[in-house]
Amino acid sequence: DVKVTQSSRYLVKRTGEKVFLECVQDMDHENMFWYRQDPGLGLRLIYFSYDVKMKEKGDIPEGYSVSREKKERFSLILESASTNQTSMYLCASSFTGNPYEQYFGPGTRLTVT
Amino acid sequence: GENVEQHPSTLSVQEGDSAVIKCTYSDSASNYFPWYKQELGKRPQLIIDIRSNVGEKKDQRIAVTLNKTAKHFSLHITETQPEDSAVYFCAAPIAGNTPLVFGKGTRLSVIA
Repeated sequence: DVKVTQSSRYLVKRTGEKVFLECVQDMDHENMFWYRQDPGLGLRLIYFSYDVKMKEKGDIPEGYSVSREKKERFSLILESASTNQTSMYLCASSFTGNPYEQYFGPGTRLTVT
Repeated sequence: GENVEQHPSTLSVQEGDSAVIKCTYSDSASNYFPWYKQELGKRPQLIIDIRSNVGEKKDQRIAVTLNKTAKHFSLHITETQPEDSAVYFCAAPIAGNTPLVFGKGTRLSVIA
């Protein structure tokens, strides 16, 4: 069974803080993704990675960066958190042999005050 | 880039009735169309998908149809049950690339 875990279910941070969201998958998947989910806006892709040390911008990368130093771990970084980054953040992974079947983590509900 | 439109945004049906959710996509080269279900407080999970060389696929009470000419695909749920209540997302890939573009979701409520 694929397991995708995220470091926190709930997180509260102050405006201007640097925030790290961690995602780990245990199925040796090559592809990893970060989405944010907001009511009425669906799932929007922030960044993705096809391999270690590789990253690509998604649809809404502004204000975010990512790091993938190991295959199983994909980190999302908010350099200076702002209130408009309050959201649910979902990590996902997929196997290159079946890239469109994505396995999601449980999500991190981030509140920036 | 790919654009995926999903309708309706909310849908209420009586238990036992059918539910249909429709999506349109813009990139004619898209070749794979998954549907994800997200129950309240849980993660999205793939429930069914269809590839562009197939017009229809069924899995028990759920089915997906694809019309490549019109560039739309639909999710059909028959004999709905309360456990079908969830948000459903359609998606389509950016042609030749891995990322999926998701629709905005449909909140389905099955009323007992």
